[in-house]
Amino acid sequence: EIVLTQSPATLSLSPGERATLSCRASESISSYLAWYQRKPGQPPRLLIYDASNRATGIPARFSGSGSGTDFTLTISSLEAEDFAVYYCQQRGRWPPSFTFGGGTKVEIK
Amino acid sequence: QLQLHESGPGLVKPSETLSLTCTVSGDSISRSDYYWAWIRQPPGKGLEWIASIYYSGSTYYNQALKSRVTISVDTSKNQFSLRMTSVTAADTAVYYCARRRGAYLDSWGQGTLVTVSS
Repeated sequence: EIVLTQSPATLSLSPGERATLSCRASESISSYLAWYQRKPGQPPRLLIYDASNRATGIPARFSGSGSGTDFTLTISSLEAEDFAVYYCQQRGRWPPSFTFGGGTKVEIK
Repeated sequence: QLQLHESGPGLVKPSETLSLTCTVSGDSISRSDYYWAWIRQPPGKGLEWIASIYYSGSTYYNQALKSRVTISVDTSKNQFSLRMTSVTAADTAVYYCARRRGAYLDSWGQGTLVTVSS
């Protein structure tokens, strides 16, 4: 089973700063990686799919990059509503399965 | 606009069966583009995929839970369901239903907390 490791566990930043979140896969997953945002009391929201494509309605300040085993989610300039927990997710090839990383909490410094 | 809504008991006794239903509105569960999925998040822990189903009945399960879980679909009601047997405290979690598009989960229900306790 492919394991996703996210780092750091917590990122303390101020509004307007750049956030860089990492997700590392235990083996190559090509570009089959997604990023989700989760706020308290809300379900996860798909931000990025196929490593670098923004989902519908996602602001341009969110961007994803990477392939193989190393992936990055970047928030170019943090806004108040961006402080949340972010998860990466991959789909196993066969049989289809889904695994999530442990999450990175982006908190206000 | 697509909406997914989980329903079911919020409290289940240990060793009993957990049953949840997801009602889909705003789209047909029979659309060929999508699978439908259950995911959970225990308190203080990460997200765990449980199972997925296609409208035709094709199913995929998390191997770690497969022996206790059944996912099913009722296209006439635009619903899909989860059944988990022999629950323990470790199954206490917020359970989400979601729409799976390709390799990703693009729409989620609000989630329902299920507590396993006597």
